[in-house]
Amino acid sequence: EVQLVESGGVVVQPGGSLRLSCAASEFTFDDYSMHWVRQPPGKGLEWVSLISWNGGSTYYADSVKGRFTISRDNSKNSLYLQMNSLRTEDTALYYCARDRMVRGIIYNMDVWGKGTTVTVSS
Amino acid sequence: EIVLTQSPATLSLSPGERATLSCRASQSVSSFLAWYQQKPGQAPRLLIYDASNRATGIPARFSGSGSGTDFTLTISSLEPEDLAVYYCQQRTNWPPAFGGGTKVEIK
Repeated sequence: EVQLVESGGVVVQPGGSLRLSCAASEFTFDDYSMHWVRQPPGKGLEWVSLISWNGGSTYYADSVKGRFTISRDNSKNSLYLQMNSLRTEDTALYYCARDRMVRGIIYNMDVWGKGTTVTVSS
Repeated sequence: EIVLTQSPATLSLSPGERATLSCRASQSVSSFLAWYQQKPGQAPRLLIYDASNRATGIPARFSGSGSGTDFTLTISSLEPEDLAVYYCQQRTNWPPAFGGGTKVEIK
């Protein structure tokens, strides 16, 4: 079964840092671009970041640009999100998701993990 | 930045009834609009992409239509398991954005 499993979410103080991980299985990871999408408690979905299938291109929402860094290790079938200078408004459930297009970028997400919770609070 | 407005905020219907959900874009997104279903406590699931194409494994009772600025997700005959929040998402303009969601309740 195609699967994404996120980890790394914890409670962190404002200004702190955190790295989220996403482990992929049962598909050819390096054929797909990957997204991070977040959902604040009780609210809707917000796209956060994307990395291309080969890691050569990265994109960020304005709300996280300069603070978050997306990366991947195709040899480990893993996606990461380094989160620095965290703010209370970054509190959310963070999902990793697969882009629908093979070896392209189409900004639709066809496979999602269950998410990992990040809480930024003093 | 394109804003997607979904209506109604909540839809309460009985099993077997037809559900019609709307998504309106602040400017044209051509046909590059998707719909996702998020059941309580679960991750979102892609239902429809490019306005009218069902994703893999999605039942035929789900259909999408529209182009430009006005889009509709129709559930032809509601099942109890369709209880969920439904989000639209555009990929035409940067940044990719989601609507605020429509909650479907089953009477």
